[in-house]
Amino acid sequence: NAGVTQTPKFQVLKTGQSMTLQCAQDMNHEYMSWYRQDPGMGLRLIHYSVGAGITDQGEVPNGYNVSRSTTEDFPLRLLSAAPSQTSVYFCASSSRDRLPGELFFGEGSRLTVL
Amino acid sequence: AQKITQTQPGMFVQEKEAVTLDCTYDTSDQSYGLFWYKQPSSGEMIFLIYQGSYDEQNATEGRYSLNFQKARKSANLVISASQLGDSAMYFCAMREVTTSGTYKYIFGTGTRLKVLA
Repeated sequence: NAGVTQTPKFQVLKTGQSMTLQCAQDMNHEYMSWYRQDPGMGLRLIHYSVGAGITDQGEVPNGYNVSRSTTEDFPLRLLSAAPSQTSVYFCASSSRDRLPGELFFGEGSRLTVL
Repeated sequence: AQKITQTQPGMFVQEKEAVTLDCTYDTSDQSYGLFWYKQPSSGEMIFLIYQGSYDEQNATEGRYSLNFQKARKSANLVISASQLGDSAMYFCAMREVTTSGTYKYIFGTGTRLKVLA
């Protein structure tokens, strides 16, 4: 049971570099999302998707791009990393067809931007 | 404006006692879902309990119960008989319908619970 798989688990970037955080789920969930977790800020929603080809912005979308070409994958792209993007990132998925529709989380990716 | 408010950044509780973690929410929707998650120091997110907006009874899962007061828009988590392993960060979350008719999950800032021996 893989569930939600995020890679990489750790990454150090220099300011201005780009990178992609990968997220894959094998539960056929229609909903996928990305959060960032910062001390005292809780989990803030970056982007989310309710199905292949459909994405929408969350609370803190600036500096991040997403796409959803398949049900399984939902990569998060940082086009030009900034120190303010240093955070722990979580990918999560769910299905409203499977009650109660709780989010299943990946293990998190710790990103440091120097 | 915060949609999910957790006003207790940190809480202490004595082992074997009960503790209540507060959560208030803001929505104009009639249909929504409320969730509680636990995040131990290892970092993973663990789903604890769910309450639907139309559920008339408070949800319970083992030592966890949800004190749902719809009119007050509160969904407090009650942990009975606290154990040392309950020491963790706890997050309240809401699934809400968006203006475009889809849905999303919003989280509060969390409460860090420390259980004392």
